[in-house]
Amino acid sequence: DAGVTQSPTHLIKTRGQQVTLRCSPKSGHDTVSWYQQALGQGPQFIFQYYEEEERQRGNFPDRFSGHQFPNYSSELNVNALLLGDSALYLCASSRELAGGYEQYFGPGTRLTVT
Amino acid sequence: DQQVKQNSPSLSVQEGRISILNCDYTNSMFDYFLWYKKYPAEGPTFLISISSIKDKNEDGRFTVFLNKSAKHLSLHIVPSQPGDSAVYFCAASEDYNTDKLIFGTGTRLQVFP
Repeated sequence: DAGVTQSPTHLIKTRGQQVTLRCSPKSGHDTVSWYQQALGQGPQFIFQYYEEEERQRGNFPDRFSGHQFPNYSSELNVNALLLGDSALYLCASSRELAGGYEQYFGPGTRLTVT
Repeated sequence: DQQVKQNSPSLSVQEGRISILNCDYTNSMFDYFLWYKKYPAEGPTFLISISSIKDKNEDGRFTVFLNKSAKHLSLHIVPSQPGDSAVYFCAASEDYNTDKLIFGTGTRLQVFP
């Protein structure tokens, strides 16, 4: 089992451009969450997808959108990139267990906006 | 508004000694608390958790203590090993059954021989 995989590992974009990041969940996991980790900060929750719909959302503008596919993989799209969007973007997949859940993080995609 | 705070950005401990990492929170609705470890170029890895109905949870060398009245939790690692050197994040959620987590800013632990 490859665990949670993310692509690409690194990405450089110019301000104003759009970017798409991809995540494949761990086998057996049906829920995908996205987090943004700025330098020196902890991860911040962006949103969560379950059954191909956005189930929860953090305090991020509409420029951040996502999608979940029938195979549970997910994409994070960011439009009109700002310099402040430079961060490590983490994907976490999870599934419910009796009395809780099991969650694993991917290695992240490092986005640099110039 | 930082709902989960880790006020010590770094901690240095000698191998074999106890490491104590601290975390404070402000949201009284938090019901479930977790600790994650993160190595460079890897995602956070789950270490240990505790629900608000408990005040202690132990797993091998790792013990988490929760003081609800003080809105404070701590992670104890004993004995500390060089392989424990990493960034440790405290996280919290309002519901035991949700994985929407609020993270602290992390504490970098260095364990030296």
